[in-house]
Amino acid sequence: NAGVTQTPKFRVLKTGQSMTLLCAQDMNHEYMYWYRQDPGMGLRLIHYSVGEGTTAKGEVPDGYNVSRLKKQNFLLGLESAAPSQTSVYFCASRRLAGLKNTGELFFGEGSRLTVL
Amino acid sequence: EDQVTQSPEALRLQEGESSSLNCSYTVSGLRGLFWYRQDPGKGPEFLFTLYSAGEEKEKERLKATLTKKESFLHITAPKPEDSATYLCAVQAPGSGGSNYKLTFGKGTLLTVNP
Repeated sequence: NAGVTQTPKFRVLKTGQSMTLLCAQDMNHEYMYWYRQDPGMGLRLIHYSVGEGTTAKGEVPDGYNVSRLKKQNFLLGLESAAPSQTSVYFCASRRLAGLKNTGELFFGEGSRLTVL
Repeated sequence: EDQVTQSPEALRLQEGESSSLNCSYTVSGLRGLFWYRQDPGKGPEFLFTLYSAGEEKEKERLKATLTKKESFLHITAPKPEDSATYLCAVQAPGSGGSNYKLTFGKGTLLTVNP
């Protein structure tokens, strides 16, 4: 059981370049999330999705776009990368909320992005 | 705005020296408070969920407690393998019935020396 898989794990971009981070989960979870983690800032929510075909903005959405065309995949795009987007990006998923739902987020291993 | 503050930022313990990590929060309509462990270069790993004041959860040397304003992660007789960053997060309802989001604190870096 792979859980949550992120690709690529490392990437170096030049300012203005574009790229897409792919997140895939094999747990049939409804909810998926993209976070970024920076030193001294903690985990901040970029975008999230509560189901296939739906996305919503999180705390820091500017400069990013997302798509959830298939339930198991959640893509994070950077159209024109900036040095401020240098960070470690984490994808996470969780199952549909229920009365006794522990709310457990399953995280990927992270994608380390450097923008020069 | 939901806020989560963790203290201390870093904690260094000797093996066997018990201590506690703090997570204070301000949120409207708390749906759950979560503790995660994060090892260097890895994604956070779920530890506990607490739903209401007075609730306690235990796992090996860790015990999490919750009041109306804060949560504590108690570490009893820690071992070097307990060294990690411990993250606290709160869940509150967003717009719409199912748009639950987690707000994370900045974490406490715990180092346990042998």
